[in-house]
Amino acid sequence: DGGITQSPKYLFRKEGQNVTLSCEQNLNHDAMYWYRQDPGQGLRLIYYSQIVNDFQKGDIAEGYSVSREKKESFPLTVTSAQKNPTAFYLCASSIGGFSGYTFGSGTRLTVV
Amino acid sequence: AQSVTQPDIHITVSEGASLELRCNYSYGATPYLFWYVQSPGQGLQLLLKYFSGDTLVQGIKGFEAEFKRSQSSFNLRKPSVHWSDAAEYFCAVGAQGGSYIPTFGRGTSLIVHP
Repeated sequence: DGGITQSPKYLFRKEGQNVTLSCEQNLNHDAMYWYRQDPGQGLRLIYYSQIVNDFQKGDIAEGYSVSREKKESFPLTVTSAQKNPTAFYLCASSIGGFSGYTFGSGTRLTVV
Repeated sequence: AQSVTQPDIHITVSEGASLELRCNYSYGATPYLFWYVQSPGQGLQLLLKYFSGDTLVQGIKGFEAEFKRSQSSFNLRKPSVHWSDAAEYFCAVGAQGGSYIPTFGRGTSLIVHP
């Protein structure tokens, strides 16, 4: 079955370390997205990519970086510059336009 | 820019009762509207979407939503709630053109009492 796989589900890191979250999809979707979810704040867009080798900053891109070298993959790196990285991170993909998103099951990152 | 408001942070209903979750949007033209559901610790799942046409939209899991332009609303309804419907529900609105990135509401948490 097609879908989006995020790994790992839980991630613990020490403060000051960079960490990379994986997102892979086999839906043949062109567009992919990273969201951050904090309690009571809904979803906030970090980065998105509508085509391979191209991506744009979202509303809260500071302290994060991404790459889109393959259509299937859109990894997110949380750098040491991110002031408050502990959160639930969601990856999504879409065919494009307003087709609606398919979401992964998320990665919960805890920085100690 | 578009915006979306979900006025209710929490809603509590009894199993078998009807449900209505509110969503209000702000956008000058006809918006694209979505409802998603999120179970604890999981990603979001698309319940239904509205682009144009019939203002009453049927979705999965027995949910429906009605687009009311005069009230700038897109409320989600279900005639009889099951305990498994307990989850977080998000409304999202998108604007035509541009990057097609929707704006999400802050969510409504549905609690179902037996």
